[in-house]
Amino acid sequence: EAGVAQSPRYKIIEKRQSVAFWCNPISGHATLYWYQQILGQGPKLLIQFQNNGVVDDSQLPKDRFSAERLKGVDSTLKIQPAKLEDSAVYLCASSLGTGGTGELFFGEGSRLTVL
Amino acid sequence: GENVEQHPSTLSVQEGDSAVIKCTYSDSASNYFPWYKQELGKGPQLIIDIRSNVGEKKDQRIAVTLNKTAKHFSLHITETQPEDSAVYFCAALRGSGYSTLTFGKGTMLLVSP
Repeated sequence: EAGVAQSPRYKIIEKRQSVAFWCNPISGHATLYWYQQILGQGPKLLIQFQNNGVVDDSQLPKDRFSAERLKGVDSTLKIQPAKLEDSAVYLCASSLGTGGTGELFFGEGSRLTVL
Repeated sequence: GENVEQHPSTLSVQEGDSAVIKCTYSDSASNYFPWYKQELGKGPQLIIDIRSNVGEKKDQRIAVTLNKTAKHFSLHITETQPEDSAVYFCAALRGSGYSTLTFGKGTMLLVSP
């Protein structure tokens, strides 16, 4: 079974530029998550989708971050304009169910460096 | 919201020793507590979890204990091996439905041969 796919794996940009990350979850998984992991910290949820609807985006900096999940499958996370503090690994995860107590399957992440 | 504290931040042990990582949570309504292992350059992977109606769960060399009264839970790894070296995260989930996990800051476990 294919895992969660993310791209690009690495991205270096200058502040105020824009960047987009892509995620393809495990087939059939209803819930998709984007997490931000700053070096030395645990993952922090940015946004959670169930199918193609947003169920939690309370920690998403909406003035610069946006995300969508078209047709309830793939998802993109965009940052515009980027700030230095956005340097982090952006992890996409998916889960089969919607209740939150099931296993989250993470991708390998997209490492963003903002100069 | 939920707050999860994790200790220690780093833990060094000799191969064959036991390792214990402790977490506390703030929200008494939390009822699901997973542990994830993250190897360098990879995403976290679930290794064990426990629900609030259970006090202890074991899977081979890994066990998790939960004290709901004290609001803390711990990961125990026995007979550690070099391949256990990784960053371990605890997490807590409040309620059900659309609730989301809150992760601790992680513990870097180093197992020396």
